Amino acid sequence: GAGVSQSPSNKVTEKGKDVELRCDPISGHTALYWYRQSLGQGLEFLIYFQGNSAPDKSGLPSDRFSAERTGGSVSTLTIQRTQQEDSAVYLCASSLNYRTNTGELFFGEGSRLTVL
Amino acid sequence: DQQVKQNSPSLSVQEGRISILNCDYTNSMFDYFLWYKKYPAEGPTFLISISSIKDKNEDGRFTVFLNKSAKHLSLHIVPSQPGDSAVYFCAASQGRRGGSNYKLTFGKGTLLTVNP
Repeated sequence: GAGVSQSPSNKVTEKGKDVELRCDPISGHTALYWYRQSLGQGLEFLIYFQGNSAPDKSGLPSDRFSAERTGGSVSTLTIQRTQQEDSAVYLCASSLNYRTNTGELFFGEGSRLTVL
Repeated sequence: DQQVKQNSPSLSVQEGRISILNCDYTNSMFDYFLWYKKYPAEGPTFLISISSIKDKNEDGRFTVFLNKSAKHLSLHIVPSQPGDSAVYFCAASQGRRGGSNYKLTFGKGTLLTVNP
């Protein structure tokens, strides 16, 4: 498809387990973002990748969270030793341009994570 | 500390009438503002944006107004249609002033219901 693809769409896991969420951005988009939306909250910035530059990890809530982007395309968000407060919808977005005033973000459908 | 606030969690209007969604921000460094629309089980999609050098931007039935002195923006939808029923997110960035110009700060969203 032409849009941002995320998998899995739904993930239920037990507290303490590790999870991996995958994002396939739109082909040719150099910027990739991860956001999450907890229940009743707005979208919270997690991490940003732009080309070969060092990612901005300033939004990651703890060192249990990490993300990588291989070959400038696919990205994986990893949450280690999941906690119940990690339950949220994790949204990936990509854009042509790193500047939000010249290129809006295109979001995937999200991965809903439930930690029991 | 919420920098972008949407104080109305929900809004209900009659088909054909005007919908007005409001958003307030506290960070005076924000100079670019966007509205995203989100249907259930889908990712947010870009709707309309405005730069701080303007006070109005119009696109078809959608108009965004910006009042910089009040740090307030609003989205007007005229006429409202049932298909407009969705969650609307206000977002802001330092689009032109550099810094983290790729990072969007989102409000919690307003659920708009347009009744036939």
